Amino acid sequence: SQQGEEDPQALSIQEGENATMNCSYKTSINNLQWYRQNSGRGLVHLILIRSNEREKHSGRLRVTLDTSKKSSSLLITASRAADTASYFCATPNYGGSQGNLIFGKGTKLSVKP
Amino acid sequence: ETGVTQSPTHLIKTRGQQVTLRCSSQSGHNTVSWYQQALGQGPQFIFQYYREEENGRGNFPPRFSGLQFPNYSSELNVNALELDDSALYLCASSRGQGVSTEAFFGQGTRLTVV
Repeated sequence: SQQGEEDPQALSIQEGENATMNCSYKTSINNLQWYRQNSGRGLVHLILIRSNEREKHSGRLRVTLDTSKKSSSLLITASRAADTASYFCATPNYGGSQGNLIFGKGTKLSVKP
Repeated sequence: ETGVTQSPTHLIKTRGQQVTLRCSSQSGHNTVSWYQQALGQGPQFIFQYYREEENGRGNFPPRFSGLQFPNYSSELNVNALELDDSALYLCASSRGQGVSTEAFFGQGTRLTVV
């Protein structure tokens, strides 16, 4: 079963606009990670936010975490065509298999020049 | 560049054959996890190795097996390949057990079973 679910499934914006993607999860976590995946390639780690953090920044990325609502958001400001990719949130699996991440289906972001 | 390398990058196999995929972990990382990603889906956990021992397994049949070597590199073996095994296989390395630290992924191996 999937823990994290990204929303929307697809997002199309113009270069320069901001892009916001959301992630909801089901069980309590101590951290959440966001990854980017360019078409058919490996995952690139973007940011890890811990449960005691509400917001974290990295360059043009801003991630928030609301543990009361079990949700996280990823904001990309001043988007560029190179930001076109799929974005995944990943949460820890504390169930039978310790130590693995559970991914949603991702948000496919298209940034048009 | 994450420092995690996978080989080969692409592979075509026939149904029923066996395949071995390889992963070199990032320097200083002693944990390797393998994931399968079908087209249009998120990665699904196969198993994890920590200090050469299997440390957890997802919902995959026994024909998916693995190894981790003393230098922490790893192999994923799949026997009796099925058409549904066609996917992108990703390995991720991290430091220590658990998921409190970042996991860094390689570029993946695209396996096509015909």
